[in-house]
Amino acid sequence: NAGVTQTPKFQVLKTGQSMTLQCAQDMNHEYMSWYRQDPGMGLRLIHYSVGAGITDQGEVPNGYNVSRSTTEDFPLRLLSAAPSQTSVYFCASSYSRLPGVYEQYFGPGTRLTVT
Amino acid sequence: QQQVKQSPQSLIVQKGGISIINCAYENTAFDYFPWYQQFPGKGPALLIAIRPDVSEKKEGRFTISFNKSAKQFSLHIMDSQPGDSATYFCAASIVNSGGSNYKLTFGKGTLLTVNP
Repeated sequence: NAGVTQTPKFQVLKTGQSMTLQCAQDMNHEYMSWYRQDPGMGLRLIHYSVGAGITDQGEVPNGYNVSRSTTEDFPLRLLSAAPSQTSVYFCASSYSRLPGVYEQYFGPGTRLTVT
Repeated sequence: QQQVKQSPQSLIVQKGGISIINCAYENTAFDYFPWYQQFPGKGPALLIAIRPDVSEKKEGRFTISFNKSAKQFSLHIMDSQPGDSATYFCAASIVNSGGSNYKLTFGKGTLLTVNP
């Protein structure tokens, strides 16, 4: 299994540009989440999904859109990039039906810079 | 309002020493408390986790101590090694009725440096 994969690893955007961060998992996990990590702030939840076709907002959703058309993929869209969205973005997934198993598996991250 | 407070922000320990990182939470509905380890340029990886029905959990050199009444939990790293140098995050979540969690609330992290 490749686990949770994210592309690209690095991206530089100009203010106002849009882009999609890709996330895929091959573990048949139902739950997927997006977090952003900023220095001194820990990780904060942006959006999450409990299954294909079902998404909801986390703590910091403004400026981001998500969709979940398949179990495997959970892309994060930046509609109009702003310097405040400069961050490292992590995708995570977890399995909902195995008793006592709660671990979230994280991808390697996408480092985004908005100039 | 920060729901999970982590301290210290940074910690320097000598090889062989004990590293202790503390976290406090506010939401009494939290019932799953993991610790994640993150190396530079990598994603966080689960180190050890505890549910509130036990007060301590040990895995190798890593131990979680949990105090439900004080709403605090801590990570102890015994015989700390230079390879343990990383950023450590505590987190908390509510395990839903389906038996999983997908909304972790993280502390701000502790940068641990273990000197040889």
